[in-house]
Amino acid sequence: DQQVKQNSPSLSVQEGRISILNCDYTNSMFDYFLWYKKYPAEGPTFLISISSIKDKNEDGRFTVFLNKSAKHLSLHIVPSQPGDSAVYFCAAAGGATNKLIFGTGTLLAVQP
Amino acid sequence: ETGVTQSPTHLIKTRGQQVTLRCSSQSGHNTVSWYQQALGQGPQFIFQYYREEENGRGNFPPRFSGLQFPNYSSELNVNALELDDSALYLCASSFRDRSFSPLHFGNGTRLTVT
Repeated sequence: DQQVKQNSPSLSVQEGRISILNCDYTNSMFDYFLWYKKYPAEGPTFLISISSIKDKNEDGRFTVFLNKSAKHLSLHIVPSQPGDSAVYFCAAAGGATNKLIFGTGTLLAVQP
Repeated sequence: ETGVTQSPTHLIKTRGQQVTLRCSSQSGHNTVSWYQQALGQGPQFIFQYYREEENGRGNFPPRFSGLQFPNYSSELNVNALELDDSALYLCASSFRDRSFSPLHFGNGTRLTVT
């Protein structure tokens, strides 16, 4: 049973445009949602998080939106840059350990 | 500020052997977690250590075990290796207090079991 799903394996966007990455979850008990970026041969790098009591969090070019009724979150990157090309993982956390449950990732390619 | 470091970066083992992977937490962090990432998948939670004790475990068999040391470094041990254990093993650290703290990952150890 996959509790966190990223249904788009890949996304291609032109430089300067908006990138929108989507994520769905099934467990309403999650407290936090996070986005990580991963380059080949490196570990995941934390990008941005959002608490389940909020619906938006912004950090520079990155904004995460949370729709609890739809159990859906999205990451917006504006403007997209070629250096943003990477695999993006959505993750959810909850419970005493705050262990992360990851989606399968979306490969973002930003074309110059 | 020193980040999370893992060793070795790559490792090749034979089925049935045992392996030990090592991790140094980011300075100031007191919690360490281990994840397994198979090809094409997201990382899967193995277990977490806090104050040198296991503090949560994912769906992994007992042949996966770990340790956390007083300096917050950690080891992941896998006994009786199987071909399906071939994966990227990621260590992550965080600071546990009353508020949520995101995990910071190392670059991983790529384990190949033949």
